[in-house]
Amino acid sequence: QSALTQPPSASGSPGQSVIISCTGNRSDVGGYNYVSWYQQHPGKAPKLMIYEVTKRPSGVPDRFSGSKSGNTASLTVSGLQAEDEADYYCTSYAGSNNLVFGGGTKLTVL
Amino acid sequence: QLQLQESGPGLVKPSETLSLTCTVSGGSISSSSYYWGWIRQPPGKGLEWIGGAYYSGSTYFNPSLKSRVTISVDTSKNQFFLKLSSVTAADTAVYYCARPLWYHYYIDVWGKGTTVTVSS
Repeated sequence: QSALTQPPSASGSPGQSVIISCTGNRSDVGGYNYVSWYQQHPGKAPKLMIYEVTKRPSGVPDRFSGSKSGNTASLTVSGLQAEDEADYYCTSYAGSNNLVFGGGTKLTVL
Repeated sequence: QLQLQESGPGLVKPSETLSLTCTVSGGSISSSSYYWGWIRQPPGKGLEWIGGAYYSGSTYFNPSLKSRVTISVDTSKNQFFLKLSSVTAADTAVYYCARPLWYHYYIDVWGKGTTVTVSS
């Protein structure tokens, strides 16, 4: 299984929206609706932000949303806030009870 | 609230075996709704799935690491374990234990992570 492809960086000003993409293939992203997104601040463990493509865990602001089209999933962060600055990782089910991660995207709030 | 805590040596010599333990507290490792996984993150790099195990002992591995990885579960101690053999400097990383949901395949609980350095 190959790592999912994410842009290394993304940025936006406070209040703006940013979209982070996550591209895989038919064996992972395109084959299952089991894409999740994690936020990681420096020195901290990842935190679940989106699961099953579009679902948001309790406590995650509705500024965070997810979608998928074909082999590409996307995380949209609307109304950017300073605390959103972090690394973001996508994950997909890859079959045989295994997961595959994306390379990560560093989101900068300008 | 369920918590996970990694433990083990912070320094391992090249060619030796890395051994880590994850202790589950605040819940049972024998739940049928979850399985138990290991993820690592080399310095300055992204996350990598190592593998996981169900409480029954069934195991699942990243194909790229499968030949070197063993994951096991001890339900009596509410712990699960990672062994990675023949380590090199490339195995230096923060190692996280985590709880993926069975049949939903996302991770809702993470340990804080433990740093393992491979060096002589």
